[in-house]
Amino acid sequence: DIVMTQTPLSLSVTPGQPASISCKSSQSLLHSDGKTYLYWFLQKPGQPPQLLIYEISNRFYGVPDRFSGSGSGTDFTLKISRVEAEDVAVYYCMQTKQLPFTFGPGTKVDIK
Amino acid sequence: QVQLVQSGSELKKPGASVKVSCKASGYTFTNYAMNWVRQAPGQGLEWMGWINTNTGNPTYAQGFTGRFVFSLDTSVSTAYLQISSLKAEDTAVYYCARARTFDPWGQGTLVTVSS
Repeated sequence: DIVMTQTPLSLSVTPGQPASISCKSSQSLLHSDGKTYLYWFLQKPGQPPQLLIYEISNRFYGVPDRFSGSGSGTDFTLKISRVEAEDVAVYYCMQTKQLPFTFGPGTKVDIK
Repeated sequence: QVQLVQSGSELKKPGASVKVSCKASGYTFTNYAMNWVRQAPGQGLEWMGWINTNTGNPTYAQGFTGRFVFSLDTSVSTAYLQISSLKAEDTAVYYCARARTFDPWGQGTLVTVSS
C-alpha cells in the first residue's frame, strides 16, 4: 500500500499570513497515463470533506485562488497564501494512483 | 446539481446489522464508481473500498472484508453499505463519495454501536 504522510500535523496561523502543508507518498504517484493522482481535501468542523485540489495543482470549482498545490513524484505541498478565518479545517492529502486509495493523517489548521 | 444524500443516523446494539444508503442525483449514476469512507470519532479518513456502479463489482480495502457489503439499486440511483455483526469499534461516520475524484461527498451517516 502507498503510505501518505503529512507535516505538520497541526498549524496555528495568524490571519493574513501564509501556511504550507507538506505531503509525502511512499511511492511515486505518477501513473502510467501521465497523470499524478494526488488530491487535497479540507474538512471543516462538522462537515464532510470537500475536494480542494486535484492532480497536484488544479483547483476545484469555486476554490479561492489563495489555495495552490505543487509538487511531483512523491513530494507535494499545499499552500494558502493568506489564511482567513474560514480556512480553519483539517486538510488531507490522498492518492488514487493505485488501490487501496490512501489518505494522509490530516493537518489541523487553526487561527492564532 | 450533483449531489449525494445519505440516510440518517443509526443507533444499533452490538451484533446487529445496519444498512446505510447514498442516493445520487444530478448525473448518470452508472457512469461513476462510488467510494465508501469511514471516519471514527476524532480520527482521520479511511477508504473502505468502492463499487463499480456499472457492473456492481465491489472492491474492499483490507480490514473491510467479510462484515461489510457494498450494493446498488441502479433503478433509484442509490448505493448501499451494509455492516453486519456490529461491534463498538464500528462506531463512526460513514461517507459515500463519487468516483476517483471523490467529488462530491455525501453528508455522512453516523452509526453508533452501543449496548
